[in-house]
Amino acid sequence: AQTVTQSQPEMSVQEAETVTLSCTYDTSESDYYLFWYKQPPSRQMILVIRQEAYKQQNATENRFSVNFQKAAKSFSLKISDSQLGDAAMYFCAYRTQSGGGADGLTFGKGTHLIIQP
Amino acid sequence: GAGVSQSPRYKVAKRGQDVALRCDPISGHVSLFWYQQALGQGPEFLTYFQNEAQLDKSGLPSDRFFAERPEGSVSTLKIQRTQQEDSAVYLCASSRTSAPSGFRQGGYTFGSGTRLTVV
Repeated sequence: AQTVTQSQPEMSVQEAETVTLSCTYDTSESDYYLFWYKQPPSRQMILVIRQEAYKQQNATENRFSVNFQKAAKSFSLKISDSQLGDAAMYFCAYRTQSGGGADGLTFGKGTHLIIQP
Repeated sequence: GAGVSQSPRYKVAKRGQDVALRCDPISGHVSLFWYQQALGQGPEFLTYFQNEAQLDKSGLPSDRFFAERPEGSVSTLKIQRTQQEDSAVYLCASSRTSAPSGFRQGGYTFGSGTRLTVV
């Protein structure tokens, strides 16, 4: 079974600064998807960025980028120019590419991101 | 609808009571997932539907948990004889296409969940 580990229960950053959230995962598969989701107090999980394991290029979405290290099974999220609206819980998630019976996402325990004004 | 709608938003149940949680996915979405999120934890997969077919129920924690999606749209998660350990947020998510191709198009859209408290 796959596991996802987020070792930082909480991170704090000054507004406009850059912060990196860590995620490692364990899998025996070669093809899979990785995601970062944001969960504000409204509880709705919002997709921030996704990465397909077969792609070597790191995904970027505006101020959000990832550092995907497949050999190290590491998938960190970098948030540049942090804004107050970025404050939330951030979850790293894994999904097998193979489909079939294993269709759910496996989530880490989350990192609570605090933005200091 | 414009998003995934879940009701009720909050539910308090007495231990032993049966509850039913509703999920209205985005119209036309083929895939529907239920997740359980305990306090301070990440969501955990419960079950997956492709249209009306329940293709994976491996995450349901016990036979007290039952999910259905009879017409391939609205889904209901039912918990019988609720226990305190069932207290959690129950999240529903839908995807336009069937997994895994849906993930190339942005992944799931989640609802805001139902917070169940069993007292």
